[in-house]
Amino acid sequence: QQQVRQSPQSLTVWEGETAILNCSYEDSTFDYFPWYHQFPGESPALLIAIRPVSNKKEDGRFTIFFNKREKKFSLHIADSQPGDSATYFCAASGGSNTNKVVFGTGTRLQVLP
Amino acid sequence: GGIITQTPKFLIGQEGQKLTLKCQQNFNHDTMYWYRQDSGKGLRLIYYSITENDLQKGDLSEGYDASREKKSSFSLTVTSAQKNEMAVFLCASSPGQSSYEQYFGPGTRLTVL
Repeated sequence: QQQVRQSPQSLTVWEGETAILNCSYEDSTFDYFPWYHQFPGESPALLIAIRPVSNKKEDGRFTIFFNKREKKFSLHIADSQPGDSATYFCAASGGSNTNKVVFGTGTRLQVLP
Repeated sequence: GGIITQTPKFLIGQEGQKLTLKCQQNFNHDTMYWYRQDSGKGLRLIYYSITENDLQKGDLSEGYDASREKKSSFSLTVTSAQKNEMAVFLCASSPGQSSYEQYFGPGTRLTVL
């Protein structure tokens, strides 16, 4: 199974709070887990990515936590800003169908000032 | 740096019409993708290609054809447009294996009358 499940569908937080977005996958051979963000009217763009050799990847206010045993990974956005308001997609790729990329259904994040 | 261009930006068709969307990239990337994004929804893979003249079906390939005659270009054909269909078609490319960042084009917005 190559499905990637993402939750919640939408999330509202106040400015300064930490937003937590979650994903899970089924194919244990996946070896690359990116998060993309998409602002209204724009195309998706890579935000941050992790490989299973690590269980944590940080880039500024953005952190991926990865749990290989449970096949779950999450994106934490610390000190959320109104400018972070966008739709966030997790994805998974590699493994048994190397070039295929499977996207989650997206989380629409709204950060209120 | 590089760029992905998609033409046309907007495409209006009639029910039953065959419609072709084009994508060009100058990253010299091996792998190219076509996704469909419906309003407020995630990305669904239609076709991808790992090299010139290669084609691989995604989960949404029925009703579409694709062509990769050159490394730099990847075209998608809607074989018979469905009435009231509205979606954005996104082209993307990545350097090689899927374990690399995907770069997305600006999209083609399709409306079928």
